[in-house]
Amino acid sequence: EVVLTQSPGTLSLSPGERATLFCRASQSVSSTYLAWYQQKPGQAPRLLIYGASNRATGIPDRFSGSGSGTDFTLTISGLEPEDFAVYYCQLCGTPLPFTFGGGTKVEIK
Amino acid sequence: EEQLVESGGGLVQPGGSLRLSCVVSGFSFSGYEMNWVRQAPGKGLEWISYISSSGLSIYYTDSVRGRFTISRDNANNSLYMQMSNLRAEDTAVYYCARGSRAFSGFETYWFFDLWGRGTLVTVSS
Repeated sequence: EVVLTQSPGTLSLSPGERATLFCRASQSVSSTYLAWYQQKPGQAPRLLIYGASNRATGIPDRFSGSGSGTDFTLTISGLEPEDFAVYYCQLCGTPLPFTFGGGTKVEIK
Repeated sequence: EEQLVESGGGLVQPGGSLRLSCVVSGFSFSGYEMNWVRQAPGKGLEWISYISSSGLSIYYTDSVRGRFTISRDNANNSLYMQMSNLRAEDTAVYYCARGSRAFSGFETYWFFDLWGRGTLVTVSS
């Protein structure tokens, strides 16, 4: 079973700064299988990126995903106040399970 | 509006049972695969179960296999999770999530593009 490790655990940045979040898989996986979600306190997760680099409906273009093999990245090009949240990567291909990473919290510096 | 609404959570004693429901609206439920995802207090997301659109293909994570049973009623636009022999570590918010399937070449992948607001299950004496 593939394990996803996200880093850093917490990222402290100011609005307008660029955020780079990492997701490392314990073995090589298809980039197609990688998704990213955003979760704010008290809310359900929201899909941001699927298939490693495709933005979900309504997601602004400051969010981008990239990567291959074992290393994947979510980049937020300029943080807006509403972007401060927890972000999760997820492996969702075959074979199951649909594993989540442990999450990265992006907080206001 | 596409919507998922969970219900059935509550306080239950260790060893007890509970049945969660997820009622969907605004889209053709029978055409989608569905999942349950949980989140323990202050912790991350944990996928726990998947069911195909027909209900014929089912998967569980190891920690719930043999204790939890996922099912669906396409006629009534509903997803269920029957939970038995509950443990303290099952305490969490339980979300239902729609799994949209896509294809890239020979690869099949999914993404969870619609989530409910969750229902809290607390296992405690």
